[in-house]
Amino acid sequence: DAGVIQSPRHEVTEMGQEVTLRCKPISGHDYLFWYRQTMMRGLELLIYFNNNVPIDDSGMPEDRFSAKMPNASFSTLKIQPSEPRDSAVYFCASAYGATNEKLFFGSGTQLSVL
Amino acid sequence: AQKITQTQPGMFVQEKEAVTLDCTYDTSDPSYGLFWYKQPSSGEMIFLIYQGSYDQQNATEGRYSLNFQKARKSANLVISASQLGDSAMYFCAMRAFGNEKLTFGTGTRLTIIP
Repeated sequence: DAGVIQSPRHEVTEMGQEVTLRCKPISGHDYLFWYRQTMMRGLELLIYFNNNVPIDDSGMPEDRFSAKMPNASFSTLKIQPSEPRDSAVYFCASAYGATNEKLFFGSGTQLSVL
Repeated sequence: AQKITQTQPGMFVQEKEAVTLDCTYDTSDPSYGLFWYKQPSSGEMIFLIYQGSYDQQNATEGRYSLNFQKARKSANLVISASQLGDSAMYFCAMRAFGNEKLTFGTGTRLTIIP
């Protein structure tokens, strides 16, 4: 089992550029989560999907952020245009089924917006 | 709304001693799960232990145990016989039935001293 795969591991971009983060969840998992981690705000849930459908996007900071899950094996988080305050580690996580099931996390994408 | 509180920003513990990391939570949901994750300096999130709100016994996983006191809404993590490799950030989190997002506390940085 390859686990949750995120790409890229590191992304450095300039303010105003579009950034796309990618995630491949564990096969068979029906929940997918995007988290952002910063020193100031800790781990924040941005959005989560169930069976490829967005369920709760209340954590998405603003319209510059968008997330899609076109199929069960792929999700993207896009920031357009990016700003320095978006610099953070972005984690993707997946889980199968109910509340008692743990989330498996990817290794994260370290994003730096200059 | 769910809330997780970890009141210890940092702890220093002598190697081989037991450690208790505090976690309290607040929720109006009758059914929920509590989790602990470890984040070493390399950045990945590692699942440690899970406790369901209706579980009668405290969860144990090797050197990890969860001291669950439902009436007090606390879910402290106990690490027995601490090791240098236990030095990391530790996050308490919860997930409620019907609202599957995982809400994290602010974390405790544990440092094991040789």
